Amino acid sequence: SQKIEQNSEALNIQEGKTATLTCNYTNYSPAYLQWYRQDPGRGPVFLLLIRENEKEKRKERLKVTFDTTLKQSLFHITASQPADSATYLCALDGAVTGGGNKLTFGTGTQLKVEL
Amino acid sequence: NAGVMQNPRHLVRRRGQEARLRCSPMKGHSHVYWYRQLPEEGLKFMVYLQKENIIDESGMPKERFSAEFPKEGPSILRIQQVVRGDSAAYFCASSPTDLYEQYFGPGTRLTVT
Repeated sequence: SQKIEQNSEALNIQEGKTATLTCNYTNYSPAYLQWYRQDPGRGPVFLLLIRENEKEKRKERLKVTFDTTLKQSLFHITASQPADSATYLCALDGAVTGGGNKLTFGTGTQLKVEL
Repeated sequence: NAGVMQNPRHLVRRRGQEARLRCSPMKGHSHVYWYRQLPEEGLKFMVYLQKENIIDESGMPKERFSAEFPKEGPSILRIQQVVRGDSAAYFCASSPTDLYEQYFGPGTRLTVT
C-alpha cells in the first residue's frame, strides 16, 4: 500500500544551522511533491512545490530536492531561526492516489530551533 | 485578498447531534478539499468538490458524512449523528486549478461529548 514516512522524532537544532528534513515514500509515482508548514492550532501553509522532472527548487532560505529513483525528498532550511520552529509536512499527489487533486500527507516532522 | 475562511472555529456537539462545518474558499478558487486531522495523526483527505459537483469522495465515510459546494455560498461538510470518534480538526483547502498548491483555512475543531 501507499506510504509516506517522515521522521517521527522531533528535530532540535541551534539557531543559524541548517535543518534537513526527510520524506520517503513507497508505492507512489507522484507527479509532484509539496512541503507545508503547520503551527499548533492552525492550518497548513504551503511552502514549496517540486515536480517529478525537477531535481531541486529554492525559495529564499528554503531548498527542496526530489529524487524519484530513491523515492525521497529532502527539505532544507538554511540559517535557521527560532521562528522556523513548527511541524513540516510532506505531501504527494499522483496517479497512484487516484490522480489530480487530493493530497496524501506524511505525519510531519516537528522542528525546534533553539537560541 | 482574504484567505480561506472556516466557521465555526470550535464546535461542541453531544453524541447523536449534527455538526455543520462551513468553508469559504479564496476568491477565484473553484476547487475545495476537506481534510480531517485526528489527534497525533496526519491530515487525511476526505472529499474534493468543484462548484455543484463532488469530484472525489473516496476518503469520506460512507455513512453519516456528506459534503456540498453549492453554486452560491460556502462549502458545507455535514456530519450526522456524531460519535466520539468524529472529534478531530477539520480543515478546508482551496486551489485555483487542480494542479496547484492548496491553501488551507484555520480549521474547525469538533469535540463530541
